Parts: sequence; C-alpha cells; structure tokens
Amino acid sequence: KNQVEQSPQSLIILEGKNCTLQCNYTVSPFSNLRWYKQDTGRGPVSLTIMTFSENTKSNGRYTATLDADTKQSSLHITASQLSDSASYICVVSGGQYNAGNMLTFGGGTRLMVKP
Amino acid sequence: DGGITQSPKYLFRKEGQNVTLSCEQNLNHDAMYWYRQDPGQGLRLIYYSQIVNDFQKGDIAEGYSVSREKKESFPLTVTSAQKNPTAFYLCASTSRREGAKNIQYFGAGTRLSVL
Repeated sequence: KNQVEQSPQSLIILEGKNCTLQCNYTVSPFSNLRWYKQDTGRGPVSLTIMTFSENTKSNGRYTATLDADTKQSSLHITASQLSDSASYICVVSGGQYNAGNMLTFGGGTRLMVKP
Repeated sequence: DGGITQSPKYLFRKEGQNVTLSCEQNLNHDAMYWYRQDPGQGLRLIYYSQIVNDFQKGDIAEGYSVSREKKESFPLTVTSAQKNPTAFYLCASTSRREGAKNIQYFGAGTRLSVL
C-alpha cells in the first residue's frame, strides 16, 4: 500500500531558528515529490517539486532534499519567520498522469513559529 | 488559491439534508478533484473528473455525488448518506500540459459542520 509518513507531527520553534521536516514514502512507482504549505483554513500551496533525478531544490528560505534510494525527503526552513507557521504537507506522485489520481498525501507537520 | 474559487467558506448541514459545495476555476484546467481533509490525516480523494461529463470515484466516494457539466465547474454534493460529513473540503485542478508532474492547484476550502 502506498504511504507517506511525515515527522514530527508538530513542531514549535523560535523566530529566526532553522528547522527540518521529514517525509518517508513507500509509493511505487515514483514520479515526483512535492512539498505544500497550508495556512490554517486555506488550501495548500506548492513550495517545491522534485523528480527522481533531482536531489535538492530551493525556494527562498525553503530547501527540499530527496533521496530516492532511501525514499526520504526533507524540507529545511532557514531563519524562520512568524509567517512560516502553517502545516507542511509532503505529497508523492506515483506515476504518469492518467485517468487516475496517483497522489499520496502525508498527514502533514504543523509548525508554529513563536516570537 | 490561484484561479480556483470555492464557496461557501463555511457550511452547516442539518440531519438528513443534502448540501452542495461549489468549485469554479478559470485556469482552463482539464481535470478537477475533490478531497476531504480531517485533522492529522492526509487528504483523501472523493471524486475526480478529467473531462466534461465524466467523473470517477476516488477512495471515499460513498455518501457524495458530483457533476461536471462545464469545464469550469465541479460541484460536490454531500448527501444524507454521508454519516460523518464534518471536515474541511478542498477542490483542486490540474492541466494536462502539466500532467506529467500532476501539479494540482487548490482552492481555499469549505469547512462543513453538522448542526
């Protein structure tokens, strides 16, 4: 069964500090992995997307890594800001676009940045 | 939220009542999706549609119905058969041109509660 596990479930850090969120997956076949940011009461917004051949991708203070051999990904947030407080969702696409939806969603990590 | 509009933002359902959630997109996307989000859980697929007048059941379709009469619109009806409808509902869409990466754009969501 395809699964995406995220850790920790929740995290509290002080403003300005760095943090790393983890994502382990067992989705096969693998097409790509993306990280979404979801503010409370809002829809998810894409941060990064990585294919099999990419092992790191940055978007401002967000840097995602991917190890396709161990099926692990991480999202590193540098110099956190209060606006980073949100849920971060790891999503794995398990195949080419076809009639079905091949996305498997993790349960998310809820990050709270305190002043 | 891009060009995907969900309404209403909050919705209350009485016992035995059917309610309809609206989802409209102006992105000219071919495929549209409905997800259900419960606290601490990953998004679960309810229904999806790749073209007008065609839709497919997702993982948790029981108690829900959809229609796709126009490319821009994909309304979701939560029927009285859905015994636990309280959740956050997200609509998403994607373009075939981006299908290889299956990038989905999400609406702002509708929070449904039972009175």
